[in-house]
Amino acid sequence: DAGVIQSPRHEVTEMGQEVTLRCKPISGHDYLFWYRQTMMRGLELLIYFNNNVPIDDSGMPEDRFSAKMPNASFSTLKIQPSEPRDSAVYFCASSLRGTSRTLEQYFGPGTRLTVT
Amino acid sequence: KQEVTQIPAALSVPEGENLVLNCSFTDSAIYNLQWFRQDPGKGLTSLLLIQSSQREQTSGRLNASLDKSSGRSTLYIAASQPGDSATYLCAVPDFGNEKLTFGTGTRLTIIP
Repeated sequence: DAGVIQSPRHEVTEMGQEVTLRCKPISGHDYLFWYRQTMMRGLELLIYFNNNVPIDDSGMPEDRFSAKMPNASFSTLKIQPSEPRDSAVYFCASSLRGTSRTLEQYFGPGTRLTVT
Repeated sequence: KQEVTQIPAALSVPEGENLVLNCSFTDSAIYNLQWFRQDPGKGLTSLLLIQSSQREQTSGRLNASLDKSSGRSTLYIAASQPGDSATYLCAVPDFGNEKLTFGTGTRLTIIP
């Protein structure tokens, strides 16, 4: 398997523009997570899905952020409008619950977002 | 609310030494604890997941231990190599859901 795939790897945009980050989880995994990493706040969970359904979005900072998972192999995280403080590395991760509580998470390479 | 602490924030050791990284958590009601490695500019790589029923988990030169009652885990790295240089993070899931709370990490530098 290719692992978790994220695109783009780097994104530079101007304040006020819409940004869409994409994620393809590992095939067969039933959980998908979106994280944000900054120097100041470390790794923060934004939202996670189970079987394409959003379970907990309490980490989404504002209404400017939205996430969707239209099918088991694709998810998007959208920021509209973007602001300089959204600059961070955004990670997607996936895991498989299976019959145990192992739920080991596998991370993608991340998207480095810079908002000027 | 679960809090995860990793001390020290940074550690430098000469190549070949054995070393221990520490992770502390405040809520002992956890299912498991996961150790990750992050190289600069890269994503996280899962190293070891230790279940709450286990006391140790080993993978090659890495050994993770878990003491739920004291809220502590250690990652032991034997015979360190320059390639081990990275940031190491521990993470625990919130009880009852799948949210991971991460520590702030220990940045490890192995000096050749």
